[in-house]
Amino acid sequence: AQSVAQPEDQVNVAEGNPLTVKCTYSVSGNPYLFWYVQYPNRGLQFLLKYITGDNLVKGSYGFEAEFNKSQTSFHLKKPSALVSDSALYFCAVRDDSNYQLIWGAGTKLIIKP
Amino acid sequence: DVKVTQSSRYLVKRTGEKVFLECVQDMDHENMFWYRQDPGLGLRLIYFSYDVKMKEKGDIPEGYSVSREKKERFSLILESASTNQTSMYLCASRMTAGYNSPLHFGNGTRLTVT
Repeated sequence: AQSVAQPEDQVNVAEGNPLTVKCTYSVSGNPYLFWYVQYPNRGLQFLLKYITGDNLVKGSYGFEAEFNKSQTSFHLKKPSALVSDSALYFCAVRDDSNYQLIWGAGTKLIIKP
Repeated sequence: DVKVTQSSRYLVKRTGEKVFLECVQDMDHENMFWYRQDPGLGLRLIYFSYDVKMKEKGDIPEGYSVSREKKERFSLILESASTNQTSMYLCASRMTAGYNSPLHFGNGTRLTVT
């Protein structure tokens, strides 16, 4: 079965430090991977996606994600965290059986000043 | 910028009531979706629609129905609300060109059923 996992419920990072939010996936075919962010009391916003090509994908707000096929991972990264990056982050993979997204449980990112 | 508007930010309903959640998008998107978001479970797809008058069941359609009479509007209906339907409901839309286009979400409706 196709699935996506975010192994950390919460990640705490000091402002200015690099951050990583982890995501692993399991799909039968080629993976189509997405990251979304949810700020407090808001809907989700698209950050970036991997479809094909370069393993390092750049997205909005200075975020990037690294696709690693051998480790079946798609970790979200940012070189220098901002307090305003504090939010809930969701990883998703496209289900090839119906083309809908399968969502991870979400990771709460807390950036401390 | 795409705007997806959900009519209510918070709703409190009683068990057994019929509940309507409304969603409107202003970018002529053909695809629209209803999800529910629960802590630790991520987003789960309730229903989606690829075009007017079309609807498809998602992963958790039981207890819900939908209506898409106009392209810009997608309504979620709880036929007889139950306490286990207390949740955050998110509407989303997507342009037709490809299944990998980003979803655009509304701000959500937090429904409490008492």
